[in-house]
Amino acid sequence: GIQVEQSPPDLILQEGANSTLRCNFSDSVNNLQWFHQNPWGQLINLFYIPSGTKQNGRLSATTVATERYSLLYISSSQTTDSGVYFCASTGGTSYGKLTFGQGTILTVHP
Amino acid sequence: DARVTQTPRHKVTEMGQEVTMRCQPILGHNTVFWYRQTMMQGLELLAYFRNRAPLDDSGMPKDRFSAEMPDATLATLKIQPSEPRDSAVYFCASGTRTDTQYFGPGTRLTVL
Repeated sequence: GIQVEQSPPDLILQEGANSTLRCNFSDSVNNLQWFHQNPWGQLINLFYIPSGTKQNGRLSATTVATERYSLLYISSSQTTDSGVYFCASTGGTSYGKLTFGQGTILTVHP
Repeated sequence: DARVTQTPRHKVTEMGQEVTMRCQPILGHNTVFWYRQTMMQGLELLAYFRNRAPLDDSGMPKDRFSAEMPDATLATLKIQPSEPRDSAVYFCASGTRTDTQYFGPGTRLTVL
């Protein structure tokens, strides 16, 4: 099955800083998703982005499927951005079991 | 605001007891997934259903775990007998063919 690797494993920021999280995957993908797990454990959908670029407020994501990576950008970070960010993919199928990366733990200090 | 619901949110039980977790998928979603999250293994798929039929349960220990969808509005995950190594957060997610997966709040299980 597909392998999903995320970097960095941990990231500590001051409020207002920008950051880039990376997700590498081992094979071609038809489905790539980013999630935020908040400190209460809830998994929140951020982006469904098998290719191209999307933006939602201070967050944006880019997936370069041909080079097998995806980037999540967080601008002007806030303390509420803290938590764990996961990328996940169903691999070559567009639908079905998600394989998750190990996550990036983001801590934003005031 | 449609969302996946799970009950119970927390469960503490003793080793050997039966545990049943329930999930109500978002109305209209035809696929339901069960994932488990632990510190050691991260998030991993246990089983999933499409149109109530089981499609993949390869991630589930067959001797003690069972998953069913009695109807389109209810999915269950049962552990019998439970063991301390089953302690984890169990997430249910639902989706459709052309959409992302939406996760419920999870059931935090502790087996003593």
